[in-house]
Amino acid sequence: KQEVTQIPAALSVPEGENLVLNCSFTDSAIYNLQWFRQDPGKGLTSLLLIQSSQREQTSGRLNASLDKSSGRSTLYIAASQPGDSATYLCAVPETSGSRLTFGEGTQLTVNP
Amino acid sequence: EAQVTQNPRYLITVTGKKLTVTCSQNMNHEYMSWYRQDPGLGLRQIYYSMNVEVTDKGDVPEGYKVSRKEKRNFPLILESPSPNQTSLYFCASSSFSPGGGSNTEAFFGQGTRLTVV
Repeated sequence: KQEVTQIPAALSVPEGENLVLNCSFTDSAIYNLQWFRQDPGKGLTSLLLIQSSQREQTSGRLNASLDKSSGRSTLYIAASQPGDSATYLCAVPETSGSRLTFGEGTQLTVNP
Repeated sequence: EAQVTQNPRYLITVTGKKLTVTCSQNMNHEYMSWYRQDPGLGLRQIYYSMNVEVTDKGDVPEGYKVSRKEKRNFPLILESPSPNQTSLYFCASSSFSPGGGSNTEAFFGQGTRLTVV
């Protein structure tokens, strides 16, 4: 059974700082890994999808990397802004392929 | 605009009163799924559907029903809601199931906040 862990659970940084969020998973036989953003009480917004054949994926100030062999992914946020404050979730397909398994998320606060 | 639409966004109901949460996607996706999100428990799958008329149980199906009569719609039915079903519910869709290929990106609705008193 796939298990996903995200570290840290919470992070508070000053505006402008570069930061890294971590995601680890136990079953490396994944097709892809997806990063989401969730604002309080709101839906999940897809940020990046990294396919298993890729090592990195970039969108604006976001860069996600994937190391399947070690079961790790990182989400790098450059020049953080208060508007980046949210919970960030990573998700991988369950071994059976029938669903996504999510980490508990990292709650990010960027202070002005 | 590609989207998954859930309704209602907020709902307060009483124990035992049947309710339906609707979900619709406009991306012609084959796969749809329902999750619930609870503090400390994360996101857990309730039911999923691989295609029209094909549904199956997820991790926490008790007390819920679903149907998939059309490709775009996947309603979640609570026939006799109880307080332990108070939660934040999400509908998701993707071209194929999460294990269906490396390019399968999941899209989520805005969520339905359900309170059962």
